[in-house]
Amino acid sequence: DVKVTQSSRYLVKRTGEKVFLECVQDMDHENMFWYRQDPGLGLRLIYFSYDVKMKEKGDIPEGYSVSREKKERFSLILESASTNQTSMYLCASNPGGRNQPQHFGDGTRLSIL
Amino acid sequence: DAKTTQPNSMESNEEEPVHLPCNHSTISGTDYIHWYRQLPSQGPEYVIHGLTSNVNNRMASLAIAEDRKSSTLILHRATLRDAAVYYCILRDSYTGFQKLVFGTGTRLLVSP
Repeated sequence: DVKVTQSSRYLVKRTGEKVFLECVQDMDHENMFWYRQDPGLGLRLIYFSYDVKMKEKGDIPEGYSVSREKKERFSLILESASTNQTSMYLCASNPGGRNQPQHFGDGTRLSIL
Repeated sequence: DAKTTQPNSMESNEEEPVHLPCNHSTISGTDYIHWYRQLPSQGPEYVIHGLTSNVNNRMASLAIAEDRKSSTLILHRATLRDAAVYYCILRDSYTGFQKLVFGTGTRLLVSP
């Protein structure tokens, strides 16, 4: 089975801090994604990556950056955390090619105080 | 993106079959029907997908109407662990790189 592992289940940080969320997948998938999920707003794509060192903005990239130095690892960075970034963050991956299902981690519930 | 419509919630008893409906009347010929579910406090989990023919896997079956304007996810024997929000989405088979967009889904309650 595909395993997508997010480094923390729960995280509490303060406004203005730089926050790193890490995600690792063990299936050699080309594509990796970062979403956030908020009540009433559903799933929203922040960034995705289709290869090492490649990244593309999703629908809500403002205030975030990403890093993919190795194929299995995709990091989400909150440059200066703000309270409106309190959310559930979900990492996903899938193989290259069309119509491939995405496999998700269990999420990181991030609170910014 | 073509839209899907699902009931807000459904209830079932343990060990009974569950039929979760999804309407997608504006589906295009190249859209696949995908189902995901999300258990409490977990990330979404892929369940099944199909194009025209009915599909079976170890988790569920997917029955697709002949005109493709609706589909039904079938859990053959519900367990307490199947209590989750189920999302039906459409994905264009010709678009290589796609985000997932979930609607409100169907919350399935399973009683012992």
